[in-house]
Amino acid sequence: DGGITQSPKYLFRKEGQNVTLSCEQNLNHDAMYWYRQDPGQGLRLIYYSQIVNDFQKGDIAEGYSVSREKKESFPLTVTSAQKNPTAFYLCASSFERTPYANEKLFFGSGTQLSVL
Amino acid sequence: GQSLEQPSEVTAVEGAIVQINCTYQTSGFYGLSWYQQHDGGAPTFLSYNALDGLEETGRFSSFLSRSDSYGYLLLQELQMKDSASYFCAVRAQNTGFQKLVFGTGTRLLVSP
Repeated sequence: DGGITQSPKYLFRKEGQNVTLSCEQNLNHDAMYWYRQDPGQGLRLIYYSQIVNDFQKGDIAEGYSVSREKKESFPLTVTSAQKNPTAFYLCASSFERTPYANEKLFFGSGTQLSVL
Repeated sequence: GQSLEQPSEVTAVEGAIVQINCTYQTSGFYGLSWYQQHDGGAPTFLSYNALDGLEETGRFSSFLSRSDSYGYLLLQELQMKDSASYFCAVRAQNTGFQKLVFGTGTRLLVSP
């Protein structure tokens, strides 16, 4: 089955530690995204990538880093510089064939990150 | 920048009809999307409006008025499983690449 897989489901971070959230998709999508969701809030864009080896900062990129070495994979690292990392992290992907098409996002099931 | 406003919570009973409104401010508007998210789950796509008017998909319909920067999601024949959060999102251009900007969500509670 095609889909987008995030792991782990739950993750705990110690103070000063970097942690990496995994996101893999087998939908052959070009674009991938990372969103952060706080309780009762909407989704805020952290980073996005249109193609392999290219990525752009979203609205709240500080304290996060990403890589896009393969089309299928877009891992997110939450660094120690992110002082308030507790949140639900959602990875998504989409086709981006033309600038004007409606390319809906497909989301993974999320990773809940908490600070110990 | 972009901003979206939607009510924080709406309650209704099974079998009823409910409308969730969304007003937006954005530059370079290309369309309004709606996503559903159950607690702890992944958002899933419901609908997309690029042009004015009503789009119907089963029990759900979505409306857009570009001149009013306004849209709504209409849910008919409500079922308990419709209890979820509903997010509107605008697809606004940013340096040639369209990214989705989400509203804060409307929590729909359906009671028996």
